[in-house]
Amino acid sequence: GAGVSQSPSNKVTEKGKDVELRCDPISGHTALYWYRQSLGQGLEFLIYFQGNSAPDKSGLPSDRFSAERTGGSVSTLTIQRTQQEDSAVYLCASSQGPNQPQHFGDGTRLSIL
Amino acid sequence: GEDVEQSLFLSVREGDSSVINCTYTDSSSTYLYWYKQEPGAGLQLLTYIFSNMDMKQDQRLTVLLNKKDKHLSLRIADTQTGDSAIYFCAEIRDNFNKFYFGSGTKLNVKP
Repeated sequence: GAGVSQSPSNKVTEKGKDVELRCDPISGHTALYWYRQSLGQGLEFLIYFQGNSAPDKSGLPSDRFSAERTGGSVSTLTIQRTQQEDSAVYLCASSQGPNQPQHFGDGTRLSIL
Repeated sequence: GEDVEQSLFLSVREGDSSVINCTYTDSSSTYLYWYKQEPGAGLQLLTYIFSNMDMKQDQRLTVLLNKKDKHLSLRIADTQTGDSAIYFCAEIRDNFNKFYFGSGTKLNVKP
């Protein structure tokens, strides 16, 4: 389909391991967002990419979290030395630009044992 | 406060109207959005309203905006069991860079 694609859909890993989550935005969308949704909670903003500008990392909860967006398209969110409190659904969204409606992927459900 | 606020739960009977309310924080917000999240899925954009509008209607959905009170509502007419989901409102702040979402209202539609 032509929507936002995230992989894996589920990830279970042991505490202390590193994980990488992938997001394929809608083709042509210049803006890309990562959010975290904990069980029964709303969305917590993590990071925002817009074109070639420096990303807005103000939502990243610690220096264990980082994200890249290569070639203005695919993005990878990396969590190093995972902790149990990192367990959540990580949602990616893309839009045609700032102020435009965001289109979401189905998320990656991350479980840290 | 800093938060976008929504009530957590709403229960209605099939065929009734549902009204989901949201209070946002930034009076300069240009667009306000409603998203729907079904179990195990991401967020689906339902509708949005530009801040110079008071009302927007789209089939069974009606959005009302009261800028003075910073209050946004979503009315679903003839609510169906398939409408059961969590509904999020969202506003844009900080020069259009960030969306801020409410905590979501879980709508339960009883047959």
